[in-house]
Amino acid sequence: DAGVIQSPRHEVTEMGQEVTLRCKPISGHDYLFWYRQTMMRGLELLIYFNNNVPIDDSGMPEDRFSAKMPNASFSTLKIQPSEPRDSAVYFCASRKGIPYNEQFFGPGTRLTVL
Amino acid sequence: AQSVSQHNHHVILSEAASLELGCNYSYGGTVNLFWYVQYPGQHLQLLLKYFSGDPLVKGIKGFEAEFIKSKFSFNLRKPSVQWSDTAEYFCAVTDSGTYKYIFGTGTRLKVLA
Repeated sequence: DAGVIQSPRHEVTEMGQEVTLRCKPISGHDYLFWYRQTMMRGLELLIYFNNNVPIDDSGMPEDRFSAKMPNASFSTLKIQPSEPRDSAVYFCASRKGIPYNEQFFGPGTRLTVL
Repeated sequence: AQSVSQHNHHVILSEAASLELGCNYSYGGTVNLFWYVQYPGQHLQLLLKYFSGDPLVKGIKGFEAEFIKSKFSFNLRKPSVQWSDTAEYFCAVTDSGTYKYIFGTGTRLKVLA
């Protein structure tokens, strides 16, 4: 398996633009997580899905952020409009089943908002 | 709410020194505990995990961690670090009722050759 795939790996955009981050989880994994990593706040869980259904989005910072999972092999995290404080590395992770199974992380998308 | 504390934010060691990174969590129920490592420029990878049984858990690359329930701790140890252990280390906890991890803020380890 290729592991969790994220695209793009780097994104540079200007304030006010829409940004879409993409994730393909490992086949057969039924949980998908979106995290944001910054120096100030560390690794934060934004939202997670189970069987394509959003379960907990309490970590989404504000309405400018939205996430979808239209099918088991694809998820998006959208920021509209983007702001400089959104600059961070965004990780997607997937897991199969029970909580003590390992989460597999993607390589991350480094987002810079100018 | 659950939380995870990693008190050492930055650690610098010389090669062959012993390592212990602290991790404390704030949840009294059944927990699953993890240590992840992030090498420079790479994604997070699992080092080791605890969910039941022997509280001393051995992971990859010579790392181990001890779960001490009375202290709400899950400290990571390695008897002799190498330059290649330079990375950021994250402790995480998840309880058996929810399915999300709570990560600590991470500890940046730098090993001097």
